Amino acid sequence: AQSVAQPEDQVNVAEGNPLTVKCTYSVSGNPYLFWYVQYPNRGLQFLLKYITGDNLVKGSYGFEAEFNKSQTSFHLKKPSALVSDSALYFCAVRGPDTGGFKTIFGAGTRLFVKA
Amino acid sequence: NAGVTQTPKFQVLKTGQSMTLQCAQDMNHEYMSWYRQDPGMGLRLIHYSVGAGITDQGEVPNGYNVSRSTTEDFPLRLLSAAPSQTSVYFCASRPTGGNTEAFFGQGTRLTVV
Repeated sequence: AQSVAQPEDQVNVAEGNPLTVKCTYSVSGNPYLFWYVQYPNRGLQFLLKYITGDNLVKGSYGFEAEFNKSQTSFHLKKPSALVSDSALYFCAVRGPDTGGFKTIFGAGTRLFVKA
Repeated sequence: NAGVTQTPKFQVLKTGQSMTLQCAQDMNHEYMSWYRQDPGMGLRLIHYSVGAGITDQGEVPNGYNVSRSTTEDFPLRLLSAAPSQTSVYFCASRPTGGNTEAFFGQGTRLTVV
């Protein structure tokens, strides 16, 4: 069955340090992969996506993500964290297994950046 | 450009009451979806629509109805509210195509007592 796993409920980093939020997926074929961010009392906002091509994808607010097909992972990264990056991050996948229409979301990872 | 607009933002219902959550988008998107967000469970798909007049069930459709009479509007109806439906509900829309990202409304926080 198709699924998305975000193994960490919370990630804590100090401001200025690099951050990684992990995501692995189980979808056959060539999926489309997404990262969204949710700030308190707001809807989700799109950060970046992997469709095809270069495995390193750059997105909004200095975030990037690395697609690894052999490990079925799509980890979100940022070289230098900001306190304002503190939010809830969701990994999502869409592909042939999901009918091409439905998007499956991970449970979310809360990022806390300490000043 | 308003994007995706959800109303109301907050609602308290008594068990057994019915209500409609409204969702409207002004981006001419064909695809629209309703999700519920519960702690530790991420977003779960309730119903979705790939165009006016076409709807289908998602992962957790029981207790909810939808209709799509226009491209812009995609209301979600709770038929007989239950405490298990206490959640935050999000409406999303996106253009046609498997690789398009979704645009989300700000959510409706629903409490059923």
